[in-house]
Amino acid sequence: AQTVTQSQPEMSVQEAETVTLSCTYDTSESNYYLFWYKQPPSRQMILVIRQEAYKQQNATENRFSVNFQKAAKSFSLKISDSQLGDTAMYFCAFMKGETSGSRLTFGEGTQLTVNP
Amino acid sequence: DAGVTQSPTHLIKTRGQHVTLRCSPISGHKSVSWYQQVLGQGPQFIFQYYEKEERGRGNFPDRFSARQFPNYSSELNVNALLLGDSALYLCASSLAGGPYGVSLHFGNGTRLTVT
Repeated sequence: AQTVTQSQPEMSVQEAETVTLSCTYDTSESNYYLFWYKQPPSRQMILVIRQEAYKQQNATENRFSVNFQKAAKSFSLKISDSQLGDTAMYFCAFMKGETSGSRLTFGEGTQLTVNP
Repeated sequence: DAGVTQSPTHLIKTRGQHVTLRCSPISGHKSVSWYQQVLGQGPQFIFQYYEKEERGRGNFPDRFSARQFPNYSSELNVNALLLGDSALYLCASSLAGGPYGVSLHFGNGTRLTVT
């Protein structure tokens, strides 16, 4: 079974600064995907960024980037130039790369607050 | 284009009752998954359906059941409700199952309160 651990229940950052959220995972799979999802108070889970395990290059989406360390099973999210709208709960998630099924295993989440 | 829609938005039930939650996927999406999110925790996988067949089931009791209809919409049913079933129930859709369906699109959820 896969596990995902987020060790920071809460974090805060000043607007325009950079913040890094941590995530570690445990799996015996060789083919898998990792995700960061954002859940604002509206409750909708929004995909922030995705990383394929077979890709060595770290994924980047505008102000969001990841540091994927496969050997260490670490997958951190860096948010640059933080904006007030980034305030939300952030979840790290894992998905096996199997041919059927698309089950996500989520971590417990990190509540990020961006202060003006 | 409409996103994933779930109904109802909120629901209050009494212990022992039955509840049905509904989900309409994004047009063209054939896979639907259900997740339970208890307050303060990450979502837990309940079911996945693809092309009207169950493709995965999480560690939930048999009181939980689901189905997918020919138009790919889905229902989640929970019988004999317990206080512990109080949670946000999220539905997610994707284009297909498997690796082609890795990008899940979530609805806004149904908040179920059991009293």
